[in-house]
Amino acid sequence: DTGVSQDPRHKITKRGQNVTFRCDPISEHNRLYWYRQTLGQGPEFLTYFQNEAQLEKSRLLSDRFSAERPKGSFSTLEIQRTEQGDSAMYLCASSLGGTSGSEQYFGPGTRLTVT
Amino acid sequence: AQSVSQHNHHVILSEAASLELGCNYSYGGTVNLFWYVQYPGQHLQLLLKYFSGDPLVKGIKGFEAEFIKSKFSFNLRKPSVQWSDTAEYFCAVTAVDNYGQNFVFGPGTRLSVLP
Repeated sequence: DTGVSQDPRHKITKRGQNVTFRCDPISEHNRLYWYRQTLGQGPEFLTYFQNEAQLEKSRLLSDRFSAERPKGSFSTLEIQRTEQGDSAMYLCASSLGGTSGSEQYFGPGTRLTVT
Repeated sequence: AQSVSQHNHHVILSEAASLELGCNYSYGGTVNLFWYVQYPGQHLQLLLKYFSGDPLVKGIKGFEAEFIKSKFSFNLRKPSVQWSDTAEYFCAVTAVDNYGQNFVFGPGTRLSVLP
C-alpha cells in the first residue's frame, strides 16, 4: 500500500500522559497536514509542512501540541499532558505541489482516547 | 473567522433519486473549494475541486458541483444516486486569512441510499 499511513491506529492513554503519533506521507509528496476530527464534525486543521518547514502552526490547539517533520519525510504530532478533551481522531494528509489547492490524500487516522 | 456550513446532517434517498447537498462558506476572498467523501471504513478522498474558470465542475462517479460566487455556495449534485454512494460528504474551503493559510471543512452530511 503506497498511501498515507499512520501509527498507531488507536491509542488509549491516561490524563496527563504525553502521546506521539506518526504519519508517513506518500513518498513523493512535499506537503503534509495534520487535522483533528471529533464525532459529528469535519476535520479541523492544525498545522502543515512543506518539506521540513512548518508553514502554519497558529491553529495548533494549545502549546501542548507540537509537530515536527525533521527530514521532510515522516512527521510526528505530540500532545503533552493530555486532557480528556483531546480525545479525537487525528488525521494526517499529504499532497504534491506548492499550492493550497492541491488534492490532499488522507490517512486512516489515529484514534486517541484519554481516560 | 472562516466557516463552512452544510445544510443537511443526514439525507436519506432511494436509489435513482437525484441528490443535491448544500454547502455555504463565509470567506469573502479568493478560495479553493472541494468536496471530499468518506465511504464506510475508508479514508477521506477527493470527489471534485474548484479553483477558477468554469463554475460547474465535474468529479468522479458522476458527481458535479456548481460554484455560485454571489451566494458563497458550492452545492454538490448527482442526477441518480446508487446504493454505493452511501457515505459521508464533506465540503471544504482553503483560503488565506489574518492568521495565514487555512483549510476549513464543513461538519459533513451523511447520505444513506436505500436499495
